[in-house]
Amino acid sequence: EAQVTQNPRYLITVTGKKLTVTCSQNMNHEYMSWYRQDPGLGLRQIYYSMNVEVTDKGDVPEGYKVSRKEKRNFPLILESPSPNQTSLYFCASTPYPGARETQYFGPGTRLLVL
Amino acid sequence: AQTVTQSQPEMSVQEAETVTLSCTYDTSESDYYLFWYKQPPSRQMILVIRQEAYKQQNATENRFSVNFQKAAKSFSLKISDSQLGDAAMYFCAYRRGGGSNYQLIWGAGTKLIIKP
Repeated sequence: EAQVTQNPRYLITVTGKKLTVTCSQNMNHEYMSWYRQDPGLGLRQIYYSMNVEVTDKGDVPEGYKVSRKEKRNFPLILESPSPNQTSLYFCASTPYPGARETQYFGPGTRLLVL
Repeated sequence: AQTVTQSQPEMSVQEAETVTLSCTYDTSESDYYLFWYKQPPSRQMILVIRQEAYKQQNATENRFSVNFQKAAKSFSLKISDSQLGDAAMYFCAYRRGGGSNYQLIWGAGTKLIIKP
């Protein structure tokens, strides 16, 4: 089954404790992206990657890091989480080039930073 | 910069009736795509319907159809014969056709309530 998986699905942590949210897709997609969803703001892009070792900032990259060492994985790293990073996070993937393609979304990761 | 606006934070409709959700967008691009996504309580993002800007014909998917007014930059979603399972947050999203970042620009969402 074609899918994007994220782990963990729920996470409660404390300020300053480094964490990683994993994202993996089994569709051999080149393009992957991270979004955060906040009430009243819709989704906003954090980082994206066009292929292995190719990443770039989205609209809200501050406080986040990503890496793309393998095509299937695109982890989101919070080196020193803060309460304003409490949010719902989505990973998405699509073939590249794929402007016409549908993006596949993971199930979301709900993060609470105390 | 492109923006997407959903002016209705919440809408309600009687089961089996028709409801229309509004969306406007702002762009200077000529090549782009528009989407409606559904987010049920499970939080999963589900694609409802998509529209290519170069197509004049409005997209339809079963009970879901859009009214795409390119000159007015309007992209509304019509849900016919509303069902209880349609209750969800609905997001309108935009993506430019060119470039290397397939970023989706999202509206703030409309919460749809279905009254039995």
